[in-house]
This record gives sequence, C-alpha cells and structure tokens, in this order.
Amino acid sequence: AQSVTQLGSHVSVSEGALVLLRCNYSSSVPPYLFWYVQYPNQGLQLLLKYTSAATLVKGINGFEAEFKKSETSFHLTKPSAHMSDAAEYFCAVSVAAGNKLTFGGGTRVLVKP
Amino acid sequence: AAGVIQSPRHLIKEKRETATLKCYPIPRHDTVYWYQQGPGQDPQFLISFYEKMQSDKGSIPDRFSAQQFSDYHSELNMSSLELGDSALYFCASSPIPQTQGPSSLYEQFFGPGTRLTVL
Repeated sequence: AQSVTQLGSHVSVSEGALVLLRCNYSSSVPPYLFWYVQYPNQGLQLLLKYTSAATLVKGINGFEAEFKKSETSFHLTKPSAHMSDAAEYFCAVSVAAGNKLTFGGGTRVLVKP
Repeated sequence: AAGVIQSPRHLIKEKRETATLKCYPIPRHDTVYWYQQGPGQDPQFLISFYEKMQSDKGSIPDRFSAQQFSDYHSELNMSSLELGDSALYFCASSPIPQTQGPSSLYEQFFGPGTRLTVL
C-alpha cells in the first residue's frame, strides 16, 4: 500500500519569495511521484513527475522537485512566487503503470502582494 | 491537443435519484480512472478500466457502477443518491504503452470534472 503526507494544509508566501511545499511518501515498492495543481473550480493539471529517471525534476511554470529516497520525500519548490501560483497543490504516488494515484491532503497556497 | 472530456460539467439531483456521468478519454488512451473529490478534500480513487475490463477498485459504494465501452469512453452510474455523494467527479486517462515513451505510462491526464450536487 502507498500513502502520501503533505505537511501544511495552507502556505502563505509573499510575491517573489520562495515557495516550498512538502511531501513525504510511503511505498513498499519504488514509487512514481507527481505534483498536480488545481485552480478553483478546475481540474487537476500535472506540474511534474518522477518516474525513476533524474532525481531532480523540472516542471511547468518554474516549479521543480527533488526525489530523496533516504528521506522518502518529494518536496516542490519555486524560487520566486507569482500571484498566479495561488492554487491548491496535490502530491500523489503510484506504484506501477496503469495504477491508481493516491493523493496527499493538498496544500493551499496564498500569494501576498 | 485533445483533452479528456467529461459530461455533464454540472449536475443537480435530488436524493434517491440516479445520475450518469460520462468520460471520453484522450484518443489512443486505453485506461480510464474515476476519482471523487469531496468539498475541501483530496481526490479519492473509485475505479479504473483497462481495455474495457475493470482493472482496479477503490472505495466505490455498491450503489455506483461503471463500465468502459468499445470506443473506450466510460460511464459512472450512481443510484439512490445521497447528500454525501455531492462532490467533484474526475475522470482521467493514460496512454496505450506502445504509442508513447515509457515515462508517459505513469501519467494520468485529468478531465475538468463533473460537479454533482445532491439536494
């Protein structure tokens, strides 16, 4: 079985500041990890994914995440927050192709001007 | 690029009524997944289909059923609706292995969702 824990249900950052969203996973087999973003009343958009290639993964909109097996983590970062980054972010894990995604509880990001 | 299509986008039903949600995957995607997202919650996996056969089942109530048709579209049928069924229902699809690179196999492409309100 796999699970995901996102630390902090809400994060507030100033525009231009670093965005750091924390995700820890639990999996009995090598995981495949994803970050999705959800804007209000919209669907889920993939930001980036880790599928056992490079441990540092770059995604869309300037986001990146680093897979750290020793820490069972896959934290999401962006060097400089923009107002358009205000949304809810979900970390998710899968254990095989065609397998379900298990999501974390989500982190809502508020960007202050 | 083509995306996952879900219909209807919004649906309002009364308690004990029946609802049918439809999902049209991206062309050449053969796997379909259904997720339920309650208010303020993370998406929860309901059920998935691969090549028209059920491939996995999550926390889907017995009142719900789903199937995938020969054209790969899927329908989620919900009966005896309850207030607690009010949620956003997402469909996602993933590609046929032979048509894209290996890493794409693990990616699920989500539709815009159907917002179901049960009164």
